[in-house]
Amino acid sequence: GQQLNQSPQSMFIQEGEDVSMNCTSSSIFNTWLWYKQEPGEGPVLLIALYKAGELTSNGRLTAQFGITRKDSFLNISASIPSDVGIYFCAGQKGNTPLVFGKGTRLSVIA
Amino acid sequence: DGGITQSPKYLFRKEGQNVTLSCEQNLNHDAMYWYRQDPGQGLRLIYYSQIVNDFQKGDIAEGYSVSREKKESFPLTVTSAQKNPTAFYLCASSTGGYTEAFFGQGTRLTVV
Repeated sequence: GQQLNQSPQSMFIQEGEDVSMNCTSSSIFNTWLWYKQEPGEGPVLLIALYKAGELTSNGRLTAQFGITRKDSFLNISASIPSDVGIYFCAGQKGNTPLVFGKGTRLSVIA
Repeated sequence: DGGITQSPKYLFRKEGQNVTLSCEQNLNHDAMYWYRQDPGQGLRLIYYSQIVNDFQKGDIAEGYSVSREKKESFPLTVTSAQKNPTAFYLCASSTGGYTEAFFGQGTRLTVV
């Protein structure tokens, strides 16, 4: 089955730094979602994007639906220790369930 | 308080035994899903169901079985035919249309 190409695979950043991660696909998607997963827990939905070019914010998080509909990015500004976790992108097209990227593992150094 | 409940949180089984993982939701969602998560592999779809008494195989259905007798429940059975069953299993649900899936807290299955 198809998976999305998510990068980077992992990041180590200093507290207060901004973070950027992205997701690409060879296919067009109708919806892009970003999730965060903390250790031992299920993923939690952060942001949902439904329209090409859409830019949506949720607090310090900003995500964009690429104009080509084949990519999306997530930015986190002024990172804090509780941002630690694995961030997943997910895409949906046609009448099919979500497809997930392999995740970006974020570590924040205080 | 609406949500998705998976039980148990941790499960240990001997090799060769079938085991059933529970997933219940009170969100009135039509669609339910089972994903498997392995380190560095992301989430891979096992089975999904859009309506009661109907379900479809996902990308890695071999060695697994499901049922959907009630809208609220979507149990997953890991059979002895699954060659590498040790993993973190996640159940999710969504309204019709496959978007915005909401996840349970997961069940970590260890087969010894």
